[in-house]
Formats: sequence, structure tokens, C-alpha cells
Amino acid sequence: EIVLTQSPATLSLSPGERATLSCRASQSVGSYLAWYQQKPGQAPRLLIYDASNRATGIPARFSGSGSGTDFTLTISSLEPEDVAVYFCQQRNNWYTFGQGTKLQI
Amino acid sequence: QVQLQESGPGLVRPSETLSLTCTVSGGSISGYYWSWIRQPPGKGLEWIGYVSHTGSTNSIPSLKSRVTISVDTSKNQFSLKLRSVTAADTAVYYCARAPIIRGAMGWFDPWGQGTLVTVSS
Repeated sequence: EIVLTQSPATLSLSPGERATLSCRASQSVGSYLAWYQQKPGQAPRLLIYDASNRATGIPARFSGSGSGTDFTLTISSLEPEDVAVYFCQQRNNWYTFGQGTKLQI
Repeated sequence: QVQLQESGPGLVRPSETLSLTCTVSGGSISGYYWSWIRQPPGKGLEWIGYVSHTGSTNSIPSLKSRVTISVDTSKNQFSLKLRSVTAADTAVYYCARAPIIRGAMGWFDPWGQGTLVTVSS
């Protein structure tokens, strides 16, 4: 099983700041990595797929990068509505998720 | 716009069978994989398994012996049965759609709102 480790567990920033979230895989997943946003009381929503492609309707301030074992989700300028837990997920070998990073603003 | 909605009992007794249904509206079951994913309280997400519109299935090895996932295309629904449940199966259960990409399952989008199932006597 591929284990995804996300860091930090919690991130506290101010509106307008840049957020950098990390996801590290226990073995290479190529570019088969996605990021999801889960706002309080809501279902997860797909943000980024194949490591760097924004899903439909996702604002340009969200971007993804990386390949192999190290991946990053960047939110360029935080908005108050970005408060959420962010999960990474791989589909290279079965389907596993990271434990999540809680973003506080 | 496709929407998914989970339904089923919120309380299941230990050793019994958890049964959930996901109803798909605003789109067809055809041409996609349909998954169940769960999230125990305070923990991360765990993919359980999928069913295709043709009825082919796959599930995580640790649950395979207890899981049945099926599809009813006439009702635009798919279902999860998890047998012999214990307290460790208490979780919010989500259903989700995924595209078929070169024969494999793609990314989960969209998801249902989720339903909490508690296993307790």
C-alpha cells in the first residue's frame, strides 16, 4: 500500500498570504496524484488532478506541482473561503489518501 | 450537473450488514466507475471499492471478503453492503463518481454529501 504523508497537519495564515501544502508518497506515483478540498460539513471537492491540472471551475489561485514522491499544493493568495481540510490522493497503485492538512485563516 | 445522494440506516448493530444506496441524478450511470469511500470520525479517507456501469467490481483487499458493491442502471443507483460490521466500521460513508481513463478508474468527482453510519448495540 502506498502511504501518503501530508505536512503540515495544520497551517494558520492570513488572507492574501501564500499557502504551501506538501504531500509525500512512500513510493513513486508518477503524476497520478490529486488534491481535494473539504470544507466544514461538506463533501470533498476535486481541486487538482494528475498533479498539476486544475479541475473545472477551480480558481487560478490553486496550483499543483510535483511528480514521483513529492507534491505541492499552492494557494497563491488566501481567501477566507479557503478554510478547509486539504487531502491528497494517489491512483497509481490502488487508491489511497493522505491524512489531510487543516488550513486556518 | 450530476449529483449523488447516499441513503440508508444511520445505526447498524455489530455483526449485522451495513447497506447503503447512492442515487445519481442529473446524469447517467453509464460510462463511469462508481465508488464508496469512508471516513471514520477524526480520521482520514479510505477507498472501499467501485462498480462500473457494466457491473464489474473491485474493492480494497482488507475489506474484499465483507464487501459487495452492485449497480442498478434502471434506477440510476448503486449500492454497498458491508457484512459482519464492528465498531471499527463506524464512519461517514461517501459515494463518488470517477471517469474511466484508459481502462482504469480516474479521479473522484463529484462526491455525495456523505452519511454517518454508527455501529453500536
